[in-house]
Amino acid sequence: NAGVTQTPKFRVLKTGQSMTLLCAQDMNHEYMYWYRQDPGMGLRLIHYSVGEGTTAKGEVPDGYNVSRLKKQNFLLGLESAAPSQTSVYFCASSRDSGGSPLHFGNGTRLTVT
Amino acid sequence: LAKTTQPISMDSYEGQEVNITCSHNNIATNDYITWYQQFPSQGPRFIIQGYKTKVTNEVASLFIPADRKSSTLSLPRVSLSDTAVYYCLVGDRPPGGYQKVTFGIGTKLQVIP
Repeated sequence: NAGVTQTPKFRVLKTGQSMTLLCAQDMNHEYMYWYRQDPGMGLRLIHYSVGEGTTAKGEVPDGYNVSRLKKQNFLLGLESAAPSQTSVYFCASSRDSGGSPLHFGNGTRLTVT
Repeated sequence: LAKTTQPISMDSYEGQEVNITCSHNNIATNDYITWYQQFPSQGPRFIIQGYKTKVTNEVASLFIPADRKSSTLSLPRVSLSDTAVYYCLVGDRPPGGYQKVTFGIGTKLQVIP
């Protein structure tokens, strides 16, 4: 049982390049989330999904897009990367919303130069 | 939104009991209190969750007073491997949930030999 798997683990982009981060969960969870973690700022919610085919904006959605075409996958896209998007990105899933715990992946460290 | 306040850092010697207190003065009736642990280069990991009184599992205990305006995570006999950042979260049942929950910067626990 792998839980939540994020790919890639590391990536370096040049300003203006695009990329997609993939999150996959094998727990049949309905809810999935993308967070970014920056020093001194904790984790901030970028986008989330409450089920297959649905997405919604979180606290810091600008510059990112997401898709949830399959229940087990949640993709985070950066269309035109900026240095301000240098961060560690975490994906999480939960069975339902507030009552059940979040399960996190081990993160993707992204550097934009 | 229920805002949480916890100490930024704590030091403890190996073998001691560690208590980390979290304040959440505006906790709502439906809110649960959840604690997560994060090691460097890993995603946060669920430790314990409670609604009121006391909850204990194999890892920790969670004490919640009757007014629920604070909670205390208790780690018995810590070891060096307990050095991590600990987050206190307060979140509500549907239709709220984690999409309205804020991760603060947590409490950085340093266990000293």
